[in-house]
Amino acid sequence: GDSVTQMEGPVTLSEEAFLTINCTYTATGYPSLFWYVQYPGEGLQLLLKATKADDKGSNKGFEATYRKETTSFHLEKGSVQVSDSAVYFCALSGYTGGFKTIFGAGTRLFVKA
Amino acid sequence: DADVTQTPRNRITKTGKRIMLECSQTKGHDRMYWYRQDPGLGLQLIYYSFDVKDINKGEISDGYSVSRQAQAKFSLSLESAIPNQTALYFCATSPSGGYNEQFFGPGTRLTVL
Repeated sequence: GDSVTQMEGPVTLSEEAFLTINCTYTATGYPSLFWYVQYPGEGLQLLLKATKADDKGSNKGFEATYRKETTSFHLEKGSVQVSDSAVYFCALSGYTGGFKTIFGAGTRLFVKA
Repeated sequence: DADVTQTPRNRITKTGKRIMLECSQTKGHDRMYWYRQDPGLGLQLIYYSFDVKDINKGEISDGYSVSRQAQAKFSLSLESAIPNQTALYFCATSPSGGYNEQFFGPGTRLTVL
């Protein structure tokens, strides 16, 4: 079945450092791919998405490109801030999942001032 | 006002008690979901509903039941709570018609003593 694998955390960075959180997926067909963010004490919220190969999703300085050839959707940000400290979830939604969303395990990011 | 609301936000109960968690949404979405999140872990799907007459089990439905009272309301019940059901519970919604993002409520923190 469909699955999502993302890098284990926690990831600890200093403010203004470059961030990459790796995400790879297994799915048949052409799923949509998502990154969600969960701030402390809150529910998940959509950060960005991409619906077809080579699409780039972007929001709040974060970017991720849908790479079908490598089945990847890595999250990047050029300069992180303390306020980016949160848990980040990679996810996919596709036909074989019956339109449900499959979430990765989450990666916790700590950004130090 | 929040688009997806959950009540209660926090609940402490005892083993063997029946508990109901409620979810309401004003987004007009047909699809609704209940997830469980344990510390340090990702999301596990408990039940989902794609319309008022459609209820489906997720990965971890044992010990839980649901009711879809209306398009806007989806309740989760623990018939006889046990300590390993202590977790954070999230309700989510999504529009029908494709592979769409989900919109999450703020969560209910449940503790079973």
